Amino acid sequence: KQEVTQIPAALSVPEGENLVLNCSFTDSAIYNLQWFRQDPGKGLTSLLLIQSSQREQTSGRLNASLDKSSGRSTLYIAASQPGDSATYLCAGPRSYNTDKLIFGTGTRLQVFP
Amino acid sequence: EPEVTQTPSHQVTQMGQEVILRCVPISNHLYFYWYRQILGQKVEFLVSFYNNEISEKSEIFDDQFSVERPDGSNFTLKIRSTKLEDSAMYFCASKGTGLYEQYFGPGTRLTVT
Repeated sequence: KQEVTQIPAALSVPEGENLVLNCSFTDSAIYNLQWFRQDPGKGLTSLLLIQSSQREQTSGRLNASLDKSSGRSTLYIAASQPGDSATYLCAGPRSYNTDKLIFGTGTRLQVFP
Repeated sequence: EPEVTQTPSHQVTQMGQEVILRCVPISNHLYFYWYRQILGQKVEFLVSFYNNEISEKSEIFDDQFSVERPDGSNFTLKIRSTKLEDSAMYFCASKGTGLYEQYFGPGTRLTVT
């Protein structure tokens, strides 16, 4: 069964730090990868999508990379701010012929002033 | 910016009752999805829907569940006879043709008592 692990499970940092969040698919079967942000009790906000043919994507202070050979993705957050506090989820389909997103366990981030 | 909307935001129902959760996907999207998240657990895929048919469903999506696109704008999830274990946040998502990024709604919190 495909499992998606995110490390660390929780992170608490002072404002201004650069952060690395990790996502790993157990059998390395990942087609493309989407990073989401989830605020407590709220929906999922899509942050970045790395398509199958891409290795990374950038949006503002966020940069995500995807290594399909190892089934790993990394989300970099530069110059973290208290407003970045949320749970970050990675998700992706296993192959090109399915849209079913398999979600990770999440990293709960707290950035304090 | 276009967004997925869901109603109601919170639904409380008694065990055995039928519930219908409603979603309005982004207007030019043709691929629709339902996911759920039990409190403290991962987001799980339920079903995908395209061209008035179910494309894929998970083992969670048994005969108690059904989906429908009753008109050109709404997408619904019906649970015929709710169980306590159906209590969760239910997310609707949609995707455009030829694209990979899924956009999620704010969710409906279903509480079965």
